[in-house]
Amino acid sequence: AQKVTQAQTEISVVEKEDVTLDCVYETRDTTYYLFWYKQPPSGELVFLIRRNSFDEQNEISGRYSWNFQKSTSSFNFTITASQVVDSAVYFCALSEEGERQLTFGSGTQLTVLP
Amino acid sequence: EAGVAQSPRYKIIEKRQSVAFWCNPISGHATLYWYQQILGQGPKLLIQFQNNGVVDDSQLPKDRFSAERLKGVDSTLKIQPAKLEDSAVYLCASSLDTSTDTQYFGPGTRLTVL
Repeated sequence: AQKVTQAQTEISVVEKEDVTLDCVYETRDTTYYLFWYKQPPSGELVFLIRRNSFDEQNEISGRYSWNFQKSTSSFNFTITASQVVDSAVYFCALSEEGERQLTFGSGTQLTVLP
Repeated sequence: EAGVAQSPRYKIIEKRQSVAFWCNPISGHATLYWYQQILGQGPKLLIQFQNNGVVDDSQLPKDRFSAERLKGVDSTLKIQPAKLEDSAVYLCASSLDTSTDTQYFGPGTRLTVL
């Protein structure tokens, strides 16, 4: 069965600090997909990234970067030079090739203080 | 391109009443999902449709919840009768095809059962 763990329930940083959100996953499949979503106070889940299990290259998109390490079953998310608008709940999620559903972690509440 | 639309955005009802939520997915997306998100938790899949057929409804409390997607486009989720523990945000998502594709979410309906 697939499982996603986000051990950090809440993180608070001051604007311009870098912050890393951890995500550890469990799966028995060799083919799977990992996702990150952002949920601002408005409530809508905003898609950030999708990564398949065969692509371990790190990804950078502006101030966002993702570190995928199969050896430790982790898919961590770093925000560089954080801004107040980054304040949100961030969810990591996993979908196995053979499963039908997307399994979410419990989320990390990030608060960026001015 | 228009995103996933949901209505209403907020609903307050008394226990034992019934309620219905509506979702219009992104044009061309074959797969539609309904999730329940209880405060402080990640979304939990209730039901998944591919076109107008049910793919997975294993976590739908069928004694009180029902959903349909008659013409393979819009969908309605109904709760009858509602219980206090149904208070949550109900999220609709859609994807091109399977659950390993990226799911795009609507703004959600926040339900409060008194």
